[in-house]
Amino acid sequence: DTGVSQNPRHKITKRGQNVTFRCDPISEHNRLYWYRQTLGQGPEFLTYFQNEAQLEKSRLLSDRFSAERPKGSFSTLEIQRTEQGDSAMYLCASSFRGSGEAFFGQGTRLTVV
Amino acid sequence: DAKTTQPNSMESNEEEPVHLPCNHSTISGTDYIHWYRQLPSQGPEYVIHGLTSNVNNRMASLAIAEDRKSSTLILHRATLRDAAVYYCILKIQVISNFGNEKLTFGTGTRLTIIP
Repeated sequence: DTGVSQNPRHKITKRGQNVTFRCDPISEHNRLYWYRQTLGQGPEFLTYFQNEAQLEKSRLLSDRFSAERPKGSFSTLEIQRTEQGDSAMYLCASSFRGSGEAFFGQGTRLTVV
Repeated sequence: DAKTTQPNSMESNEEEPVHLPCNHSTISGTDYIHWYRQLPSQGPEYVIHGLTSNVNNRMASLAIAEDRKSSTLILHRATLRDAAVYYCILKIQVISNFGNEKLTFGTGTRLTIIP
């Protein structure tokens, strides 16, 4: 296993379009997180999955955002009707309960033009 | 989540030790001190974590003050590859099987290594 994988690495989209990102966590990790990072800031928590159950969503996750983790494996993050303010790096992380360590992917950089 | 305070930036010479400070005066007894770093164009990377005692691993050492209100990440011999933003994060240990172990990042310390 080579770690957390995110695709695509870069995405440029026009305002109003829908985009979907994929995250493949480390296979034995049951916890999966999505974060968003804007320039000069640290990552901000968006949502958390324990296996296939989405257990917490941040207030940052507006109704245009939806995340899924079918069968508790990979996860997708969809943004509908993108806005310029959605431009950011979207990071996925996975962990195993009690390990004390989260593993992050390299992120998907979204640019909305 | 309790907050941490870190300098915005630091510089260090290559092959010298680096001491990155973090203040967390409102830390609670159940907060673990975690350090992550983020290299340019990469996701954050776990460095080390501890509760009360000093900790060592292959990447770094973590020195925790006796009152736990501050800590210091020590890179023993900095290389150019250590240039990154270093984040000090307090995280409550989650006991529940379903507890959220999310990380609350600040703006971190940008470490520049001078060749």
